Parts: sequence; structure tokens; C-alpha cells
Amino acid sequence: GQQLNQSPQSMFIQEGEDVSMNCTSSSIFNTWLWYKQDPGEGPVLLIALYKAGELTSNGRLTAQFGITRKDSFLNISASIPSDVGIYFCANANAGNMLTFGGGTRLMVKP
Amino acid sequence: ETGVTQTPRHLVMGMTNKKSLKCEQHLGHNAMYWYKQSAKKPLELMFVYSLEERVENNSVPSRFSPECPNSSHLFLHLHTLQPEDSALYLCASSQVTWGTEENTIYFGEGSWLTVV
Repeated sequence: GQQLNQSPQSMFIQEGEDVSMNCTSSSIFNTWLWYKQDPGEGPVLLIALYKAGELTSNGRLTAQFGITRKDSFLNISASIPSDVGIYFCANANAGNMLTFGGGTRLMVKP
Repeated sequence: ETGVTQTPRHLVMGMTNKKSLKCEQHLGHNAMYWYKQSAKKPLELMFVYSLEERVENNSVPSRFSPECPNSSHLFLHLHTLQPEDSALYLCASSQVTWGTEENTIYFGEGSWLTVV
């Protein structure tokens, strides 16, 4: 079945550093979504991408839809302690069902 | 506040108990979902209801039984669960536009289930 490979699995960074994570797939998609899950909560949508090559920002977050339509990355600039959580990529298959990556666990040291 | 409300937030049940998780969405969406999140595993889709009809089951054990009485409410009935079923159960909803892949789903805060 479809798989999304998300990396890295975890990151431990210093406050103020920039962060980059990515997702790759063996299949081509028309949608990439990025979610963040705070401890003990449900995932919250950060950024949605619907066009190859699209670059979208949401505050300190920037995500891009890869031109090959098989990958996407999420960057966080100048990280702060509240950025801690698990970040998931996701995309939709032909049946409009979402598949999620394994998540990137981000830890920020003040 | 995402517009998707789940109750209870925490549930502890014995293996012989029957309990239910409830989800309500206030977003006017036409599809609702149950996901399971276990430690160190990706989010697993359990059930999907679109226009109140189940469209995907994903071979979930029969001890989990979903119910969608209307487009705003979704239940997950639990019966004779196993300890390995302990997990975070997430409800979600979306507005599916058929013929496109623009399907942004919104999650509830989840129900933490512990089976003892």
C-alpha cells in the first residue's frame, strides 16, 4: 500500500534554530498537508498544498510541494519552545482518503 | 477549538465492558472519520463515513463498531476490547469535494482509551 516516508523521526534543537523536515512518497499526489500534534491533543492543520511547486507560509512555517509531486518539506524558522510536538505530513489518494507519515517529533531546548 | 468535539477525553475500561466514544462536528462537513493512534505508530484510519454511509473499514476488528446517525455525529462502540487496543482515538471531519483531492480534515482532541 501507499507509504509516506517522513524524516527525521525526531529532532532535538536549541531555541532559535531553524528546522527542516520532509516527506517522500513513491506515488504522485495532488495534495500535501502538514499537521502538528501537541502532547495529549489531536493534530491541527498547519499548511495545505494543492499545486506542484507551491510554496506556502504560515508565520514562521514554510512548506513546499515538490515539483515531482512525490515530496514535500516543512521549515520552521527561529524555533521557540511552543514548537514542541509531533509534525505529520499527509496526502490524499484517489478515494480522498488521507495517509499520514510517521511523524517528526520536535523537541526544543530553551 | 477545531469544531470537532470528542467525549470522553479519557476512558478506562475492563475487557468485558461495553462503552462508546462520541464525536460531534460543528463545521457542516459531509465526511467523518475514526483514527487510531498508538505509540510509535502512524495514524491508522479505522472508519470513514461520507454522507452518513460507511465507505471504508480497513479490516478493523469487530469489537469496534462505528455508528453515524447523522452528518454531525459519529460514535465508536467498544466491546470486549484487548489491552493492545489502548490508544488515542481521534475523530475527524472534512468536506469532501468529489472529483478532487482537496480533502482537508480537521481533528478532535482525541479520546485516550486504556483497556485493563
